[in-house]
Amino acid sequence: EAQVTQNPRYLITVTGKKLTVTCSQNMNHEYMSWYRQDPGLGLRQIYYSMNVEVTDKGDVPEGYKVSRKEKRNFPLILESPSPNQTSLYFCASRGLAGGTNEQFFGPGTRLTVL
Amino acid sequence: DAKTTQPPSMDCAEGRAANLPCNHSTISGNEYVYWYRQIHSQGPQYIIHGLKNNETNEMASLIITEDRKSSTLILPHATLRDTAVYYCIAIAGGTSYGKLTFGQGTILTVHP
Repeated sequence: EAQVTQNPRYLITVTGKKLTVTCSQNMNHEYMSWYRQDPGLGLRQIYYSMNVEVTDKGDVPEGYKVSRKEKRNFPLILESPSPNQTSLYFCASRGLAGGTNEQFFGPGTRLTVL
Repeated sequence: DAKTTQPPSMDCAEGRAANLPCNHSTISGNEYVYWYRQIHSQGPQYIIHGLKNNETNEMASLIITEDRKSSTLILPHATLRDTAVYYCIAIAGGTSYGKLTFGQGTILTVHP
């Protein structure tokens, strides 16, 4: 089954404790992206990657890092989480062939930073 | 990307067609209309997209007006599982990497 998986699905942590949210897709997609979703602010892009070893900032990259060492994986790293990073996070992927913008989203990771 | 406007909420009876409107009066010639939906904090799900012709797939139909300033997403036989927030966005097609920017969308409630 074609899918994007994220782990963990729920995480409660404390300020300053480094964490990583994993994202993996099995569709051989070139493009992967991280979004955060907050009430009243909609979906905002954090980082994206066009292919292996190619990453770029989205609209709200501060406080986050990413890496793309393999095509299927795109982890989101919070080196020193703060309470304002409490949010619902989504990973997404799409293939670049065909020119459509059909993106596949993961199930989400709900992060709470105390 | 062109701004889109949707009603904040709509109701529909189960089994009836749900018609969700979207206004995109400033859409440019290379921008497609995309529809996604999000069921209760799950990951958004792609539904359908179109440029200027009407489109249909197994989930829905998309009707785009001739001047492309508005469109309607049609769920032909709505079920309770179609209760979700529906997002209409206008985004350039082709080789654009396609950052998705969702507005507030339309909350569709399907009732028995």
